[in-house]
Amino acid sequence: DIQMTQSPSSLSASVGDRVTITCRASQGISNYLAWYQQKAGKAPKLVIYAASTLQAGVPSRFSGSGSGTDFTLTINSLQPEDVATYYCQKSDSAPVTFGPGTKVDLK
Amino acid sequence: QVQLVESGGGVVQPGRSLRLSCAASGFTFSSFGMHWVRQAPGKGLDWVALIWYDGSKTHHEDSVKGRFTISRDNAKNTLYLQMDSLRAEDTAVYYCARFYGDNGLDVWGQGTTVTVSS
Repeated sequence: DIQMTQSPSSLSASVGDRVTITCRASQGISNYLAWYQQKAGKAPKLVIYAASTLQAGVPSRFSGSGSGTDFTLTINSLQPEDVATYYCQKSDSAPVTFGPGTKVDLK
Repeated sequence: QVQLVESGGGVVQPGRSLRLSCAASGFTFSSFGMHWVRQAPGKGLDWVALIWYDGSKTHHEDSVKGRFTISRDNAKNTLYLQMDSLRAEDTAVYYCARFYGDNGLDVWGQGTTVTVSS
């Protein structure tokens, strides 16, 4: 099975900072990569799909890139409401494995 | 509006069974594959199972194969997860989610909590 890793596991940043999270697949997955945001005590929310397509209603400060094995989620100008844990996910065939998550909080 | 509502969670002893339900509304349930995803306390997201839109195919994560069964009733707009031979390590919040093709899981329920403890 394909394994997903993320780095860093956590980060602290200031409001207005640019934040970058990396996700790596153990084998190539083309662009079948989704990103989710999970706030404390809430269900996950789809942020990016197909590696770089913004889900409807998600602020444009979020962006995704990558293909194959290496992917990036970028938050331009971090806002207080962006404090959450972010997960990548291999989104094509089962098993649809999640990465271990990256916790983002405010400095 | 598009909504998924899970139910059926609770406290159960090891070795016993539980059936979770996920009621869908606001969309054509029979057109979408569906997933169960779980999250143990303080841990990350773990995929559990997937069922195709018509129920013709299912996939289960290795640690639940032979113990959990995903199913659906399209006439009732409801997804199920039958969980047998429960173990302490199955303790988690269980979410149902809509499969947006190869584009991830675009609608999630609020989750239902399963605690396996003697």
